[in-house]
Amino acid sequence: EVVLTQSPGTLSLSPGERATLSCRASQTVSSNYLAWYQQKPGQAPRLLIYGASSRATGIPDRFSGSGSGTDFTLTISRLEPEDFAVYYCHQYGRSPEMFTFGQGTKLEIK
Amino acid sequence: EVQLLESGGGLVQSGGSLRLPCAASGFTLSNYAMTWVRQAPGKGLEWVASIGGGGDTHYSDSVKGRFTISRDNSKNMLYLQMSSLRAEDTAVYFCAKDGHPGNGVWDYFDYWGQGTLVTVSS
Repeated sequence: EVVLTQSPGTLSLSPGERATLSCRASQTVSSNYLAWYQQKPGQAPRLLIYGASSRATGIPDRFSGSGSGTDFTLTISRLEPEDFAVYYCHQYGRSPEMFTFGQGTKLEIK
Repeated sequence: EVQLLESGGGLVQSGGSLRLPCAASGFTLSNYAMTWVRQAPGKGLEWVASIGGGGDTHYSDSVKGRFTISRDNSKNMLYLQMSSLRAEDTAVYFCAKDGHPGNGVWDYFDYWGQGTLVTVSS
């Protein structure tokens, strides 16, 4: 079973700054089957990135994903007030038993 | 517009049962794998169960033998039948849609419902 470890647990930044969130897998993520979601309090998660680096429909280009193998990064180039939320990485693949989520990174206003 | 709407949550005693429906609209349900994901209060996301377009079912070890996922494509409905409920099943339950039809990959989730809260009292 692949374990996804996100860091940091909490990231305190100001609007306009750059955010870098990490997701590290305990084993290689095949075919870069790695997604990122944003979740705000009381809401469902929203897909941001899939395939490690492809932006989902309607996602602003300040969000970008990168990485391969075991190390993946979500970057928000210039934080907007609405970007402060919890972010989860997610491994998917050839069977649902591969579905794994990271524990989340909370991005809070400094 | 794709929409997923869960219902059926509530307070249930330990050992009890509950069925969660998820109404799907805006896409052809039969073409997509569907999944239930849960989130315990203040915690992260946990995969619960998935059903393929062909009806094949998959469960996490924590719910295997107690939960049943099913679908009625004619009614555009997904279900999660939960039995032998435990306190640790307390969570918001989300239904989620697979990102790609029939590509041989159990994909990311491109649409999620708003969730329904299940509280199991001991």
